Amino acid sequence: AQSVTQLGSHVSVSEGALVLLRCNYSSSVPPYLFWYVQYPNQGLQLLLKYTSAATLVKGINGFEAEFKKSETSFHLTKPSAHMSDAAEYFCAVSDGGSQGNLIFGKGTKLSVKP
Amino acid sequence: DADVTQTPRNRITKTGKRIMLECSQTKGHDRMYWYRQDPGLGLRLIYYSFDVKDINKGEISDGYSVSRQAQAKFSLSLESAIPNQTALYFCATSRTGMGNQPQHFGDGTRLSIL
Repeated sequence: AQSVTQLGSHVSVSEGALVLLRCNYSSSVPPYLFWYVQYPNQGLQLLLKYTSAATLVKGINGFEAEFKKSETSFHLTKPSAHMSDAAEYFCAVSDGGSQGNLIFGKGTKLSVKP
Repeated sequence: DADVTQTPRNRITKTGKRIMLECSQTKGHDRMYWYRQDPGLGLRLIYYSFDVKDINKGEISDGYSVSRQAQAKFSLSLESAIPNQTALYFCATSRTGMGNQPQHFGDGTRLSIL
């Protein structure tokens, strides 16, 4: 069965600093991986997805993630944090096959200090 | 207008009451999902539907039921609400695919059961 672990339920960075949100997955088959962002009082929005093409995936708002099979990781990064990046971030893995259901991590809340 | 619309956005009710949460979509997607979000637990799948005649239980279906009235409408019912069903509920949609299709979320229904 697939699973996702997000290391750190809360991450705090200063404005302009590097953002690194960690995600490790477990999957017996090549996974499809997703990062979503949730702003207060809103639903989840897709940031980026890995679907077995390029291992470095670029998303919206300057975020990117790198798929590393050897480390079973899909960490999310942004070179320079902005105040508007404060939100909760979820990593998700697809269970593949025709079901295509997503397994979500527990989320990481990102705070950005001025 | 939002592509995935959930009603109501907020609901407070009492233990034992029957509640229906509604979801409609204009994306033309075949697949629809209901999740609940609890702090620190991420999103957990309640039910999913691949088309009008195909309804499936998710990870935490006990105490819930669903109805897929049309391709665009998917409702979630709590037959006899209990306090531990207090949560944020999300509806999502996706295209049919082999796990590589992202899901698109509504803005959620915040449900409080007293």
